[in-house]
Amino acid sequence: SQKIEQNSEALNIQEGKTATLTCNYTNYSPAYLQWYRQDPGRGPVFLLLIRENEKEKRKERLKVTFDTTLKQSLFHITASQPADSATYLCALSDTGRRALTFGSGTRLQVQP
Amino acid sequence: EAGVTQFPSHSVIEKGQTVTLRCDPISGHDNLYWYRRVMGKEIKFLLHFVKESKQDESGMPNNRFLAERTGGTYSTLKVQPAELEDSGVYFCASSGDRGSGNTIYFGEGSWLTVV
Repeated sequence: SQKIEQNSEALNIQEGKTATLTCNYTNYSPAYLQWYRQDPGRGPVFLLLIRENEKEKRKERLKVTFDTTLKQSLFHITASQPADSATYLCALSDTGRRALTFGSGTRLQVQP
Repeated sequence: EAGVTQFPSHSVIEKGQTVTLRCDPISGHDNLYWYRRVMGKEIKFLLHFVKESKQDESGMPNNRFLAERTGGTYSTLKVQPAELEDSGVYFCASSGDRGSGNTIYFGEGSWLTVV
């Protein structure tokens, strides 16, 4: 069956360190993979999209990698700040479909 | 520019009643999506409109849910009759028409509690 897995345990790191979040998937052929940020009581906010033929994408302090062989995406936040504390969601879309399938999210807590 | 707006933000209804949720997408966005998150679960896709047409409604849970997008602008999602398991947050999202992989903008959600 199709599955997207994100570490359900919260990730606690010190301010200034790099946070690395993992998204693994099975039985999908994603055309692209997206990362979202969600704060409590708010809707998801788009951060980055990476296509199946791209290995890496960067935006300011954010970096996403996509390994279709390992079926894994890594999401990095460098020089993390307490304001980066939130839940981060991985979402992907099968080829030919617009519908997104979301992981359960990983909660990141950056300690000052 | 206004984002995706949803109404109501919170609703508490009794089992068996009807609730209608409304979504106003970003102006000019042809694609409109409904998603929901029930307690303890992931956000799940419900359906996708392109303008006024239902492009993909594979995620609609059952026939108690009816989505419409008359005129290709705002959309409504009606739950009739509501059941306890329908409680959760319903997200609307929209995107432009530049092919797959377009950025999707989410609203803040309509929180539904069925008692």
